Amino acid sequence: AQSVTQLGSHVSVSEGALVLLRCNYSSSVPPYLFWYVQYPNQGLQLLLKYTSAATLVKGINGFEAEFKKSETSFHLTKPSAHMSDAAEYFCAVSDRNTGGFKTIFGAGTRLFVKA
Amino acid sequence: NAGVTQTPKFRVLKTGQSMTLLCAQDMNHEYMYWYRQDPGMGLRLIHYSVGEGTTAKGEVPDGYNVSRLKKQNFLLGLESAAPSQTSVYFCASSPVGLAGDTGELFFGEGSRLTVL
Repeated sequence: AQSVTQLGSHVSVSEGALVLLRCNYSSSVPPYLFWYVQYPNQGLQLLLKYTSAATLVKGINGFEAEFKKSETSFHLTKPSAHMSDAAEYFCAVSDRNTGGFKTIFGAGTRLFVKA
Repeated sequence: NAGVTQTPKFRVLKTGQSMTLLCAQDMNHEYMYWYRQDPGMGLRLIHYSVGEGTTAKGEVPDGYNVSRLKKQNFLLGLESAAPSQTSVYFCASSPVGLAGDTGELFFGEGSRLTVL
């Protein structure tokens, strides 16, 4: 069975500081991994995804994530936080199984950016 | 571009009332899903569909029913609403059979349901 653990329900950084949001997963088959972002009162939108190509994945808005199989991790980073990055971020895992894809989400990490 | 559209966006129900949430997508996606989002719990899958006329249970299906009579629509029904069903509901769709498809989800903007 797949599962996703996001360390820290809230993360606070200063504007211009490094953003690091942690995600660990478990999966019995090679996974597809995703980060989604949710702005207030909106649906989720894809930030980036890992699909077994390059282990360092670049996404929108300057975010990137690195797939580390040995650590079963897929942490999200951004070198310099911007006020507009304040949102909730969800790590997710999926794999093709009988009946199609089923995506499992982590509990989410809310990012606060201080001026 | 409409993408995934959910109606209604807000609804208040009394315990025991019934209602239906409608999800429509115009991307010709095969798969559709209903999730609920509760604070500190992420998104949990209620039901999903891998094609017209087929549905399957997710993690938290009790108290909900679904139908997929047309490929572009996925309905979520509450036959007898309970306060525990107060939540934000998200519909999503994903393509299948296309080169490189990975289960990436495309979400609607959500439907906020309050059951008193």
